[in-house]
Amino acid sequence: QSALTQPASVSGSPGQSITISCTGTSSDVGSYNLVSWYQQHPGKAPKLMIYEVSKRPSGVSNRFSGSKSGNTASLTISGLQAEDEADYYCCSYAGSSTRNWVFGGGTKLTVL
Amino acid sequence: EVQLVESGGGLVQPGRSLRLSCTASGFTFGDYAMSWVRQAPGKGLEWVGFIRSKAYGGTTEYAASVKGRFTISRDDSKSIAYLQMNSLKTEDTAVYYCTRDLQPWIQLWFGYWGQGTLVTVSS
Repeated sequence: QSALTQPASVSGSPGQSITISCTGTSSDVGSYNLVSWYQQHPGKAPKLMIYEVSKRPSGVSNRFSGSKSGNTASLTISGLQAEDEADYYCCSYAGSSTRNWVFGGGTKLTVL
Repeated sequence: EVQLVESGGGLVQPGRSLRLSCTASGFTFGDYAMSWVRQAPGKGLEWVGFIRSKAYGGTTEYAASVKGRFTISRDDSKSIAYLQMNSLKTEDTAVYYCTRDLQPWIQLWFGYWGQGTLVTVSS
């Protein structure tokens, strides 16, 4: 069982917007603005899409945005495109020496 | 261009050892903390551990699931990070990724990833 809770799947049509939630606790998501999101296509390595809750690394489309409220972080993808179909994982710093970073179980995004 | 290339994976029996390597290029290796993240077949991501840069003591942190069995080290002269895995269990079967932060010195994000190397623990 993953430390952070994500929906197993979400779907949307091209051009639409979707939001993926990531629920943690007051020990991780709720305590730190150190939430990141990763995109993973089948057979590929994950790619950092959002860090520090809402910042985008260079080269990541501004269609991707992040936010946080309390113990729940969210990733929103606007203007869905076929290439957005992938697995998405959230991650939070959790502060202890044996639990530094915790991941969500992943969300499969299907573009209809 | 930042490149991370993992090697050393393969099939190993339970209880045995294996050492993975992560060869880095395209940046000043010694300035960065290096992390390992794994992914069991069909499952999600799991942080394994990381090693700080020498400037921050070169110390290590590990997930509870591998602490005492896995050891991360680094050779800055060769730009290589290692993951020594002892007393392997079947549940250690996974693709192991080497990662680096966006920024030097600290470890906050998994900004760059290698292609991963598969470790299969089975008799």
